[in-house]
Amino acid sequence: GQQVMQIPQYQHVQEGEDFTTYCNSSTTLSNIQWYKQRPGGHPVFLIQLVKSGEVKKQKRLTFQFGEAKKNSSLHITATQTTDVGTYFCAGLSGAGSYQLTFGKGTKLSVIP
Amino acid sequence: DTEVTQTPKHLVMGMTNKKSLKCEQHMGHRAMYWYKQKAKKPPELMFVYSYEKLSINESVPSRFSPECPNSSLLNLHLHALQPEDSALYLCASSQLTGQETQYFGPGTRLLVL
Repeated sequence: GQQVMQIPQYQHVQEGEDFTTYCNSSTTLSNIQWYKQRPGGHPVFLIQLVKSGEVKKQKRLTFQFGEAKKNSSLHITATQTTDVGTYFCAGLSGAGSYQLTFGKGTKLSVIP
Repeated sequence: DTEVTQTPKHLVMGMTNKKSLKCEQHMGHRAMYWYKQKAKKPPELMFVYSYEKLSINESVPSRFSPECPNSSLLNLHLHALQPEDSALYLCASSQLTGQETQYFGPGTRLLVL
């Protein structure tokens, strides 16, 4: 079955440093979604990428979808303590599919 | 409005109890989902309903019984659970358009004693 690998599992950064998490799928994806889960919270939708090579920005967050639609990354510039949480990527494998395959997540800690 | 609500927020139950988790959305979404999330793990899909019909059951034990009374409501009936079933139970919904953004509710934290 489809697998989505996500690295790193944990990342500790000093406040102000940049952070990147990477996802790689075993199969071509129709789209990829990113979620953030704060400690004690629930996954909150951040963004969806659909097109090959797509890049989207949300303030300090930059999301990329690879040309082959099998990999994606989330980059945070100048992290803040409010960025703390676990970031999950989740892929959809085909048109009309609604079964997300989640990566294991990257837990981000920001040291003030 | 992208809100999915779930009740209760917390639930403690014994292994012989029967309880139900409830989920509601008013976004007109036609797909609704139950996920189970253990600590430090990603959400794990349990059930998918599309147009109020069960379309996916990920080999979930029969002590978990889903129900979709209408397009806005989703229940999960619990009976004779085991301590290892303790987890965060998340409900989600999506439009069912083929490019499915799923919106999650806040979850029910379940402890089985």
